[in-house]
Amino acid sequence: DGGITQSPKYLFRKEGQNVTLSCEQNLNHDAMYWYRQDPGQGLRLIYYSQIVNDFQKGDIAEGYSVSREKKESFPLTVTSAQKNPTAFYLCASSIVGREGKETQYFGPGTRLLVL
Amino acid sequence: SQELEQSPQSLIVQEGKNLTINCTSSKTLYGLYWYKQKYGEGLIFLMMLQKGGEEKSHEKITAKLDEKKQQSSLHITASQPSHAGIYLCGADYGGNKLVFGAGTILRVKS
Repeated sequence: DGGITQSPKYLFRKEGQNVTLSCEQNLNHDAMYWYRQDPGQGLRLIYYSQIVNDFQKGDIAEGYSVSREKKESFPLTVTSAQKNPTAFYLCASSIVGREGKETQYFGPGTRLLVL
Repeated sequence: SQELEQSPQSLIVQEGKNLTINCTSSKTLYGLYWYKQKYGEGLIFLMMLQKGGEEKSHEKITAKLDEKKQQSSLHITASQPSHAGIYLCGADYGGNKLVFGAGTILRVKS
């Protein structure tokens, strides 16, 4: 069963705490992405990684960190520096399709709530 | 993103009616992606358009790309409750990432 898994589905964070969201894919995709979705807004890119051991900041990277030690895994840490972390977090991975364009496929998401 | 505007923001239609959602870019498009999302879930890829005038269909959903207007429209024929959800467009501006519109919430009344 190929796909992208995210865990946990819901995550609660206390003030001043770092939390890590998991994203795993077994699709053999090279690129992986983290997005944040807030009500009434589209997806905003946090970080992305084109290959293992390399990643780039997206549009809203402040207060977040990532690692890409394995092709299959791209965990996202929400640090205490992120002052408004309550959101729905989506992970995606991509592959170049028959038409020569990259198509991103998404995981089921993790909802992060602050206690 | 202000680069990519979706309209309408939300839409309520009677089951069986047709509807159109628009996605307009302020910059040149290298590709335009349509996704559907159920609330609280991930995005499902519907289709990708990259050439001006291109039209693709997936079941009762058809999307077109108007290169001159830098706009794409998504048309649903004979809507069903299963079509309800959030429709998002994503623009490829030539980099390694997509820029997404704010989404259109579709409700279908039976």
